[in-house]
Amino acid sequence: EIVMTQSPATLSVSPGERATLSCRASQSVSSNLAWYQQKPGQAPRLLIYGASTRATGIPARFSGSGSGTEFTLTISSLQSEDFAVYYCLQHNDWWTFGQGTKVEIK
Amino acid sequence: QVQLVQSGAEVKKPGASVKVSCKASGYTFTSYGIHWVRQAPGQRLEWMGWISVGSDNTKYSENFQGRVTISTDTSASTAHMELSSLRSEDTAVYYCARDDGYSSTWGQGTLVTVSS
Repeated sequence: EIVMTQSPATLSVSPGERATLSCRASQSVSSNLAWYQQKPGQAPRLLIYGASTRATGIPARFSGSGSGTEFTLTISSLQSEDFAVYYCLQHNDWWTFGQGTKVEIK
Repeated sequence: QVQLVQSGAEVKKPGASVKVSCKASGYTFTSYGIHWVRQAPGQRLEWMGWISVGSDNTKYSENFQGRVTISTDTSASTAHMELSSLRSEDTAVYYCARDDGYSSTWGQGTLVTVSS
């Protein structure tokens, strides 16, 4: 089983600042990596697929990069609606999720 | 629009089974597989298994092997997930998700509470 490790567990950021979230795979997943945003009581919302392609309707302030085992999600200028938990998902070998990064207001 | 609508919340006793349904609309049901994922309170998303709609090939996570059964009813465009031998640790929100490799479409979630 591929293990996905996200860091940090919690990120405290002020509105308007940049947030950088990391996701590491225990073995290569190529570019088969997606990022999701989840708010309390809601299903996950797809942000990024193919490691770097924004999903339909996702603002340009969200960007993804990386391949193989190291991936990054960057939110260039945090808006109030961006405070949430973010998960990475590898779908190279079935599915495995990271443990999540909570982005909270500083 | 593409949508997955799940059945309502359930309360079960330890040792019982639960069956959650997921009705698809807005696309050709047999063209995409369905994944099931659960999330215990305050925990990460956990993949449970997958079904190839139409062929009914399945793949289950080893964490649930022997306790989970995923099935479909193509005439009703509905997928089902049954989990048996429930214990308190199975209290969670259960989601279905369309297989796009990743998933762009998720059900709204079904809360299953296991309590004596």
